[in-house]
Amino acid sequence: GQQLNQSPQSMFIQEGEDVSMNCTSSSIFNTWLWYKQDPGEGPVLLIALYKAGELTSNGRLTAQFGITRKDSFLNISASIPSDVGIYFCASTINQGGKLIFGQGTELSVKP
Amino acid sequence: DTAVSQTPKYLVTQMGNDKSIKCEQNLGHDTMYWYKQDSKKFLKIMFSYNNKELIINETVPNRFSPKSPDKAHLNLHINSLELGDSAVYFCASSQPGTAYTEAFFGQGTRLTVV
Repeated sequence: GQQLNQSPQSMFIQEGEDVSMNCTSSSIFNTWLWYKQDPGEGPVLLIALYKAGELTSNGRLTAQFGITRKDSFLNISASIPSDVGIYFCASTINQGGKLIFGQGTELSVKP
Repeated sequence: DTAVSQTPKYLVTQMGNDKSIKCEQNLGHDTMYWYKQDSKKFLKIMFSYNNKELIINETVPNRFSPKSPDKAHLNLHINSLELGDSAVYFCASSQPGTAYTEAFFGQGTRLTVV
């Protein structure tokens, strides 16, 4: 079935460093979403991408919808301790809004 | 005002018991979902309801029965709980079919079966 392959699985970085994570699939998608999950909380939407090639920023976060519609990346610039959490890519497969998720990237930021 | 709220946040119960988790959304969305997050943090859809009607059931055991009294509420009832049911359950809502299909999630219910 359709699945999203997210990498890396985990990252340990120093405060101030830039971070990049990506999501790929063998299937074409019309939407790419990036969520962040803080410990003990539900996923919160960071960025939504709806058009191939689209590049969108939200503060220090930047995400792009790959031109082939099979991938997306999320960059975080100048990381800070509150960036710690699990980042998920997700997409819909036109089935009643059902989302499928990548495996998540667990980010740790050392002050 | 919380957009998607679910209760309880924590639930510890013994094997064989029956329990319910409640969910409410005030976003005016037509569609609500239950997702399960396993110990490896993988998120997988269980059910989807659109305007009180079941539209997705991802081969979840019959012991799990969602109920939607109206489009703002989607509760999850679990019978005869098993150890393997221990997980975090998330309720979510969205408005598919529009330009913006992203889902909004509740804070989760951590279910521990002992």
